[in-house]
Amino acid sequence: DVKVTQSSRYLVKRTGEKVFLECVQDMDHENMFWYRQDPGLGLRLIYFSYDVKMKEKGDIPEGYSVSREKKERFSLILESASTNQTSMYLCASSPLPPQQSGNTIYFGEGSWLTVV
Amino acid sequence: KQEVTQIPAALSVPEGENLVLNCSFTDSAIYNLQWFRQDPGKGLTSLLLIQSSQREQTSGRLNASLDKSSGRSTLYIAASQPGDSATYLCAAQEYGNKLVFGAGTILRVKS
Repeated sequence: DVKVTQSSRYLVKRTGEKVFLECVQDMDHENMFWYRQDPGLGLRLIYFSYDVKMKEKGDIPEGYSVSREKKERFSLILESASTNQTSMYLCASSPLPPQQSGNTIYFGEGSWLTVV
Repeated sequence: KQEVTQIPAALSVPEGENLVLNCSFTDSAIYNLQWFRQDPGKGLTSLLLIQSSQREQTSGRLNASLDKSSGRSTLYIAASQPGDSATYLCAAQEYGNKLVFGAGTILRVKS
């Protein structure tokens, strides 16, 4: 089975702290994604990556950055956490390059971040 | 910009009922349409994927249809059970495997 692992399930951070959310997938997928989920808003794409050291902005990249130094690992970084970044963060991976379609996407269990 | 809307936002039904969840999208140029299930505090599990060239997909008691021209998809759940209680999300897949999600339908099946 494909496994997407988010190492931190629950975090509480202070305003202004630098926060790292880590995601690891074990199926050699090219594509990895970071979403945030808020009540009533669904999932919104923050950043995604098609390959090592490659990243592209999603719909809401402000206040975030990402790092993909190895194919299996995709990190989300909050440079200076703010209270409006309190949310559930979901990492995902999928096995296709961007030119193709028809395959599914696999999600981690999510990381609940509270910024106080 | 693609927008995905799900109706209703919440639904409560007695066990055994057949039910329909609705999803609409504004841009018909999609690669596929996916339905996901999310249990409280958990990640998403893919239920059904309908490719843009298909009209429907079935898995057990679940059937999803896609009408690209009208920008609509429906998820049909037959003979609902309490274990079906969850949030159901639809997502339109765009170029690059990017998914645009609806806000979800919270389903509660009462025993």
